[in-house]
Amino acid sequence: RKEVEQDPGPFNVPEGATVAFNCTYSNSASQSFFWYRQDCRKEPKLLMSVYSSGNEDGRFTAQLNRASQYISLLIRDSKLSDSATYLCVVNGAGNMLTFGGGTRLMVKP
Amino acid sequence: SAVISQKPSRDICQRGTSLTIQCQVDSQVTMMFWYRQQPGQSLTLIATANQGSEATYESGFVIDKFPISRPNLTFSTLTVSNMSPEDSSIYLCSVWAAGTASYEQYFGPGTRLTVT
Repeated sequence: RKEVEQDPGPFNVPEGATVAFNCTYSNSASQSFFWYRQDCRKEPKLLMSVYSSGNEDGRFTAQLNRASQYISLLIRDSKLSDSATYLCVVNGAGNMLTFGGGTRLMVKP
Repeated sequence: SAVISQKPSRDICQRGTSLTIQCQVDSQVTMMFWYRQQPGQSLTLIATANQGSEATYESGFVIDKFPISRPNLTFSTLTVSNMSPEDSSIYLCSVWAAGTASYEQYFGPGTRLTVT
């Protein structure tokens, strides 16, 4: 079993749609959780951290369920510029990040 | 934040040769990380480079194949030795630094390596 698992997609959605990505992780001792965004041929960049109480940043909402070892990212009112690969990232001991395989999102006009 | 540059940005190399990738950070950092991203895959940590000590390698990666230098707190190199086509990948340097709200991991632009 992979340490961090994501549905690779692609998710093809129209502009304005709401889309949700899920991620599961295997290490119950994981401490920190993140969503990164990676555009084609670019390096990953932090989109948002994921907190236990859930957090929202504009159109983006992240949630964490420690009991189920499950993380989600919700994007509302999708824009063309949201098209990218979204990486679920889990931080374990020693500040080591483990990356999921990424979920590719394509927003169409 | 941290601004990271890498050289070269891309290279095409013949099998059996070696390539050294440079990573420069605009601030002093304790740990620098080297990742590999193979085509269509996510990121895999190769090793953690600490200044003044040997790098710590992840399972599946060895020093003879990927020697790392860390001469100071702003610079590191990763060498891909005796290359084969399987080494074709993007190699990314990364550091932890203070972000807008908390510490976050920043990545360099990557070095795209093609081995023929």
